[in-house]
Amino acid sequence: KQEVTQIPAALSVPEGENLVLNCSFTDSAIYNLQWFRQDPGKGLTSLLLIQSSQREQTSGRLNASLDKSSGRSTLYIAASQPGDSATYLCAVRPGGNQFYFGTGTSLTVIP
Amino acid sequence: GAGVSQSPRYKVTKRGQDVALRCDPISGHVSLYWYRQALGQGPEFLTYFNYEAQQDKSGLPNDRFSAERPEGSISTLTIQRTEQRDSAMYRCASSSLTGTRGYTFGSGTRLTVV
Repeated sequence: KQEVTQIPAALSVPEGENLVLNCSFTDSAIYNLQWFRQDPGKGLTSLLLIQSSQREQTSGRLNASLDKSSGRSTLYIAASQPGDSATYLCAVRPGGNQFYFGTGTSLTVIP
Repeated sequence: GAGVSQSPRYKVTKRGQDVALRCDPISGHVSLYWYRQALGQGPEFLTYFNYEAQQDKSGLPNDRFSAERPEGSISTLTIQRTEQRDSAMYRCASSSLTGTRGYTFGSGTRLTVV
């Protein structure tokens, strides 16, 4: 079974800082990996999807990288804003149809 | 619809009652997934469908849990004889058959069993 770990569990940074969230997974045979944002009382919002053949994806201030061989992905957030405060979840999809989620990183951006 | 719709948003039920949670996927999405998320944890897989066929129900915790998608669109997750440990956020997601564009999640149903 795929195990997904996210470090750190919580992170607090001042506004404007660049930051990196880490995700590691135990089985490198993956189909794709998806980063989600979770806001309290709301659904999961997809941020970036990386296919197994890709090394990175970018959307605005977000950049996600994938290193399958080492079982790692990182989510880089540039110039953080208070509105970025949320829980960020990494989800890994092996060859089947289900995603395996990490427990998330709770991010607080202090104005 | 434009997004994945789940109802109800909140459900409080007494222990021992049955509950039915509904999911209406994005129009045209063939695959539909149910996940359960405990507080402070990531979502955990329960079951999924392609069209009306339940492909994998290995994540259902016990036989009190069941799901159906009779017409290949709306799905219902039913929990019989609810217990306090069933309290969680229940999330539904949908995708294309290949899932190459990833999942889209609904807002979830917060179930509280008292």
